[in-house]
Amino acid sequence: GNSVTQMEGPVTLSEEAFLTINCTYTATGYPSLFWYVQYPGEGLQLLLKATKADDKGSNKGFEATYRKETTSFHLEKGSVQVSDSAVYFCALTESNTGNQFYFGTGTSLTVIP
Amino acid sequence: EAQVTQNPRYLITVTGKKLTVTCSQNMNHEYMSWYRQDPGLGLRQIYYSMNVEVTDKGDVPEGYKVSRKEKRNFPLILESPSPNQTSLYFCASSPRQGGTDTQYFGPGTRLTVL
Repeated sequence: GNSVTQMEGPVTLSEEAFLTINCTYTATGYPSLFWYVQYPGEGLQLLLKATKADDKGSNKGFEATYRKETTSFHLEKGSVQVSDSAVYFCALTESNTGNQFYFGTGTSLTVIP
Repeated sequence: EAQVTQNPRYLITVTGKKLTVTCSQNMNHEYMSWYRQDPGLGLRQIYYSMNVEVTDKGDVPEGYKVSRKEKRNFPLILESPSPNQTSLYFCASSPRQGGTDTQYFGPGTRLTVL
């Protein structure tokens, strides 16, 4: 079956630190991969996505590369800001149908000044 | 403004009292979906709809019903709520069925079943 595993949180970093949030997946076919972000009290928003192996998604300084050989889609940012404090969700859907989505458990990030 | 709206935003009810959470989108999206968010479990998909009159089960459909009579609306119905359905619920929509489109999420409905 399909599933997503994220690193446990919470994660606390100082401003300008380097961020990595690990995400690995299991899929029966050829998934598309996503990172969504949830700011306090809000719904989720798409942060970035990648639809095939070796694709790199990027947005707002965040990056993630679709690694088929390691079934991973780790989220990275070189220098975090206080405003990046949020919960981050890794997710997948099968590209050929795209109808059912699978989310990880979420990783809470707090950035302190 | 393009958006997904949910009502109510907060609801406290009692076991067995039927309720409906409404979801509406104004973007002419084909695909709509319901999720529940629980601590330590992340988001789990309840039901999704690929278009009008086409719905299918997600991972956790037990105890829920949905309907899609119009493209813009996708209500979630709890016929006989139980305390284990206490959760934060999100509705989402995307332009087309099929893999790569961005999902747009509503603000969430926090449901408590006593």
